[in-house]
Amino acid sequence: QQPVQSPQAVILREGEDAVINCSSSKALYSVHWYRQKHGEAPVFLMILLKGGEQKGHDKISASFNEKKQQSSLYLTASQLSYSGTYFCGTASAGGSYIPTFGRGTSLIVHP
Amino acid sequence: NAGVTQTPKFQVLKTGQSMTLQCAQDMNHNSMYWYRQDPGMGLRLIYYSASEGTTDKGEVPNGYNVSRLNKREFSLRLESAAPSQTSVYFCASSTSGMDTQYFGPGTRLTVL
Repeated sequence: QQPVQSPQAVILREGEDAVINCSSSKALYSVHWYRQKHGEAPVFLMILLKGGEQKGHDKISASFNEKKQQSSLYLTASQLSYSGTYFCGTASAGGSYIPTFGRGTSLIVHP
Repeated sequence: NAGVTQTPKFQVLKTGQSMTLQCAQDMNHNSMYWYRQDPGMGLRLIYYSASEGTTDKGEVPNGYNVSRLNKREFSLRLESAAPSQTSVYFCASSTSGMDTQYFGPGTRLTVL
């Protein structure tokens, strides 16, 4: 079952912050985040494992709330290069551990 | 180091025609995947291969077959293409199911 991402789209100006949420109806083992620019392949950002771990990647960080079966991606001081579609992928324990991806959140950063 | 390569990049088929999409990786990864991406639907897993010699169905396997030819190569076959299979197809690979996936550049397929 696909995780649910919100919002579907975000429009920002350079320097503003954004939060993208990902929630699942299943107990989660891991959450994966990818970014895809238009016409290109998805590119890995980070993986979070159960335990409430927060990870960072430059000014992009993420949290994972295992109990709430949710993850959030935080983009601070956004840059033009952050524009793209962000996908979360969630995996449950006891299966193949392959993530099921959400429908994506489109992020547009304007100058 | 090419990473994940896919051929062809573009393809137009008529309904009922068959074709095979090729994928190869040079990262010595055990696991390989085929996804389709449709507008507003995200990435949906068609088939995957956890290791050489094994293949398993994903979320949307109907109308497709796969072959894990060796550790490097994983092909996707459409036996009788249908307009509903018009999509962008991505191949990916990873060390294991829970690890980072590396995606190929994609194949844009149109079925008329």
